[in-house]
Parts: sequence; C-alpha cells; structure tokens
Amino acid sequence: KAGVTQTPRYLIKTRGQQVTLSCSPISGHRSVSWYQQTPGQGLQFLFEYFSETQRNKGNFPGRFSGRQFSNSRSEMNVSTLELGDSALYLCASSPGTSGIGYNEQFFGPGTRLTVL
Amino acid sequence: TQLLEQSPQFLSIQEGENLTVYCNSSSVFSSLQWYRQEPGEGPVLLVTVVTGGEVKKLKRLTFQFGDARKDSSLHITAAQPGDTGLYLCAGVSLSGYALNFGKGTSLLVTP
Repeated sequence: KAGVTQTPRYLIKTRGQQVTLSCSPISGHRSVSWYQQTPGQGLQFLFEYFSETQRNKGNFPGRFSGRQFSNSRSEMNVSTLELGDSALYLCASSPGTSGIGYNEQFFGPGTRLTVL
Repeated sequence: TQLLEQSPQFLSIQEGENLTVYCNSSSVFSSLQWYRQEPGEGPVLLVTVVTGGEVKKLKRLTFQFGDARKDSSLHITAAQPGDTGLYLCAGVSLSGYALNFGKGTSLLVTP
C-alpha cells in the first residue's frame, strides 16, 4: 500500500503571498489531518477533514484553511503569508470512523515551507 | 489546549546506555501516544497506552502511562544508534477528537 504523499516537498514564498499544499492519503482512508511543526512550538494541530467535512479545528487564524475532495485528497491553503508561517506542514491520514485519537494516524513526509 | 511538557528536550548518549523520557501534563487524557520522527520524515506511531498504570514493551522500549492518566514515560534500555530521532508524546482528549503533542525529545545515540 502506498503511504501518504505530500506535494510539493519544499516551497519558498515571500510575505503576503498565498500557498496551497496537497496531501494524498492512504487508499481507503477517509480522514486527513494537518499539522504545523516548528522548533519553537512543536507539532500543532491545524484541522481534520472526514468525508469532505471539517470535523475538528485547532487554534490557528482564518488565514489557514483547508478542504477535502470526494477522493479524500486534501489541500490546505495559507493566505497572506507571514514570516512565522515558515514550518514543516505535515498531513496524516487514518481510516477515521472515530476521532483522530482512536485511529492510528499515518503521517506523510511533510512540506517544508520557507517564507522570506 | 491541553499542554504536554516533555523532558529532557535534548539527550546525547553513548551506545549501550539507558535513558528515560518524560511527558507530563496537568490534564487527564483518554490515552497517550508515542511517536518517533526521523529527519525528513513524518512521525511514526510506536505505541498507544490507554489504561492508567499500563506498561507496554516494544523490544528495548518500555512505555508507562501514569495512574491518573496525566503523564507517561518512555524508557530505552541499551540504546543503539538506530534509536536516534525525535520522540514525541501526544495526548488524546477525553472526546477523542483532539490530539495534543509535546514539543519532543531529540535523542542522539553515538557508537
């Protein structure tokens, strides 16, 4: 079974721009979660999508948004980029019928975003 | 947000030594997960502990969940260079819909 794939793997943007990251979950998985990882704050939960609906959301500003398609692939968008948005963005997929705490999550390798 | 404090933040040891990593919170969790993350990769789940006082062993790794389900520890016996990585604990909220991560313990095991 192919693992979780994320594209692109690396991205450089400038302040004020917007960016879209993509995540393809493991086949058959219906839940996709997004996380931001930085050295200072660690791994922080952004949001989770299940069957095209946002099921849970972390404490991030509205500049961070996401969506999920009918094939379970997911995208996250960050608008009006700030220097502090530089981070590793990870997505994770799981079968998802229960909450994210009750299904093993499989993480992708992440997208490294640098904002200049 | 339920905060999880991990200690130590960094650990550099020689092959063959033992070590313990701690994960503490003032909040109660329904369960607690431990992950290992290697450079350039996402975290990989090692174990989930569910019951207060539970002890789980994975080869040379021993995981314990505190009686009150607020804290956990990871003990590695006879560490090997292959154990090098970032160890993350994550607490599952009582609802099951939130997963809060600690900042991690970066472990380096040198031959």
